[in-house]
Amino acid sequence: GAVVSQHPSWVICKSGTSVKIECRSLDFQATTMFWYRQFPKQSLMLMATSNEGSKATYEQGVEKDKFLINHASLTLSTLTVTSAHPEDSSFYICSARLAGRLVGETQYFGPGTRLLVL
Amino acid sequence: AQTVTQSQPEMSVQEAETVTLSCTYDTSENNYYLFWYKQPPSRQMILVIRQEAYKQQNATENRFSVNFQKAAKSFSLKISDSQLGDTAMYFCAFMGSRAAGNKLTFGGGTRVLVKP
Repeated sequence: GAVVSQHPSWVICKSGTSVKIECRSLDFQATTMFWYRQFPKQSLMLMATSNEGSKATYEQGVEKDKFLINHASLTLSTLTVTSAHPEDSSFYICSARLAGRLVGETQYFGPGTRLLVL
Repeated sequence: AQTVTQSQPEMSVQEAETVTLSCTYDTSENNYYLFWYKQPPSRQMILVIRQEAYKQQNATENRFSVNFQKAAKSFSLKISDSQLGDTAMYFCAFMGSRAAGNKLTFGGGTRVLVKP
């Protein structure tokens, strides 16, 4: 149980285009999902918290117009990197927290999406 | 803001031996959760073990156990009988209260290499 998927796993795009990454909780409902970014040999940095039915909460320094997040259902959150540039190349990981559980329930992670912007 | 520090960037251990990874954190909260996650070369984050701060008993999951010292704000991970499949990055993580958004704060990671 508690499986999270991401699609695509790998994407290459040209500079200036937009890329959408999907995060799905496959066997549970998640009112809250999180988006992280990870550079090579570094730790995970939280970008934003995605709440079902409401606006995402972005961490300081993350451009909300650059990284659009939509959490339209209890099982799906999307991250759109708009007008991507080479510096946006990174590994993007989502996680999902079980809905209805007590505070502090474990986050389950997707397998990640590797984005390369040429 | 909470901070999580892993002071060992890299560690190596012989197969079947034991290795201990250190983690310290800083918080003013009393109720929180601590985690160890494993990230193998596939880069899939895998939960290793979870500790609730209000529980004094150290968490254990098969070959993995923690030494949780709340007063010292220390949360070390012991891997016993190390196996080749344990080779991975290990991240210590802190989760605070709902008021703080239940966000995970990660340490910088420790790379563990298990040698045959």
